Amino acid sequence: DAMVIQNPRYQVTQFGKPVTLSCSQTLNHNVMYWYQQKSSQAPKLLFHYYDKDFNNEADTPDNFQSRRPNTSFCFLDIRSPGLGDAAMYLCATSARWNIQYFGAGTRLSVL
Amino acid sequence: GQQVMQIPQYQHVQEGEDFTTYCNSSTTLSNIQWYKQRPGGHPVFLIQLVKSGEVKKQKRLTFQFGEAKKNSSLHITATQTTDVGTYFCAGGNNAGNMLTFGGGTRLMVKP
Repeated sequence: DAMVIQNPRYQVTQFGKPVTLSCSQTLNHNVMYWYQQKSSQAPKLLFHYYDKDFNNEADTPDNFQSRRPNTSFCFLDIRSPGLGDAAMYLCATSARWNIQYFGAGTRLSVL
Repeated sequence: GQQVMQIPQYQHVQEGEDFTTYCNSSTTLSNIQWYKQRPGGHPVFLIQLVKSGEVKKQKRLTFQFGEAKKNSSLHITATQTTDVGTYFCAGGNNAGNMLTFGGGTRLMVKP
């Protein structure tokens, strides 16, 4: 059974059209992460929540925002997607700073 | 900040040959984790090493953590086509903060 679920698996959006990706978890982990992964590259951390505390990576563009309304759900909002934002977006969870469990990812295409 | 480097970036092997990927950190690590990402998939946790000089085995996979806790290696004996994928190391720092991922080593196995 999937423990970290990302929806949708594939998302196509238009240049500049806001898009929201979602992640839910059944593990009751207190840390949730959003990564961006481009082809043949390592996952790049965008931000994470430790409980309700939001932590942005220094080089994450303002175009990317996140919400965590409760322990189980976390959202990634891309306010004005550009062509360079086309990538796989991975959600992960961990209990404190322990092992990370990844979702299957959402592949975002920007037309 | 902490940097985690992995070499090689790519490795082609003939099925049955051995494979090793190396991970080096710019700072002392509290722990090292290894993940495998199959083509088109998401990172999946393999193992965590915590102690200086620790060696762990999973069937044909052998993981080592250096004495100084700044480097690690993953060795696969007699590779199989099912070993294809990208192997990422991820280091945790002594402040107990989140992981820093290495760039990954992409393994390709020729049958």
